[in-house]
Amino acid sequence: EAGVAQSPRYKIIEKRQSVAFWCNPISGHATLYWYQQILGQGPKLLIQFQNNGVVDDSQLPKDRFSAERLKGVDSTLKIQPAKLEDSAVYLCASSPGTGALSRYGYTFGSGTRLTVV
Amino acid sequence: DQQVKQNSPSLSVQEGRISILNCDYTNSMFDYFLWYKKYPAEGPTFLISISSIKDKNEDGRFTVFLNKSAKHLSLHIVPSQPGDSAVYFCAAIKTGANSKLTFGKGITLSVRP
Repeated sequence: EAGVAQSPRYKIIEKRQSVAFWCNPISGHATLYWYQQILGQGPKLLIQFQNNGVVDDSQLPKDRFSAERLKGVDSTLKIQPAKLEDSAVYLCASSPGTGALSRYGYTFGSGTRLTVV
Repeated sequence: DQQVKQNSPSLSVQEGRISILNCDYTNSMFDYFLWYKKYPAEGPTFLISISSIKDKNEDGRFTVFLNKSAKHLSLHIVPSQPGDSAVYFCAAIKTGANSKLTFGKGITLSVRP
């Protein structure tokens, strides 16, 4: 089974620029998550999709962050404009659904390390 | 409001000895607890989980203990190996519709040869 694919692996941008990250979840996984992990902290949920619908975006800074999940498969996360404090690893994860989550957990991608200078 | 707490940022143990990683939580509604392991430049990988109705779950060298009354869980690694050196995240979830994992800050484990 192929894992969760993310690109790019690394990105360096200047503040006020825009950036986009891409995620391809495991085939058939209905739920997709974007997490932000700042150095020294645990992953923090930004947004959760169930198929192509948003079920939780309460922690997403909507003035600058946006995300979509096209046709319930791939997802993109965009930051515009970026701030210095957005420097973090952005992790995408997927799961089959609530029933399987508790036993196997989510499957994470390798993440995108963003540096804003 | 940090619902999952890992108060020790790092732990160093000798190869072959036991590693004990601790985690506390505040939300009594959590019904599953998970441990994830993360190597540099990789995403977290699932290690082991435990239901809130159990007090112990074992998988090879890894055992997780849950003390629900104290809202405390711990991960034991016996024997520890250098390849276990990584960041370990404790996570918790209240299962159900739109459930999501809440993570602690992580603890960096170093196993000395």
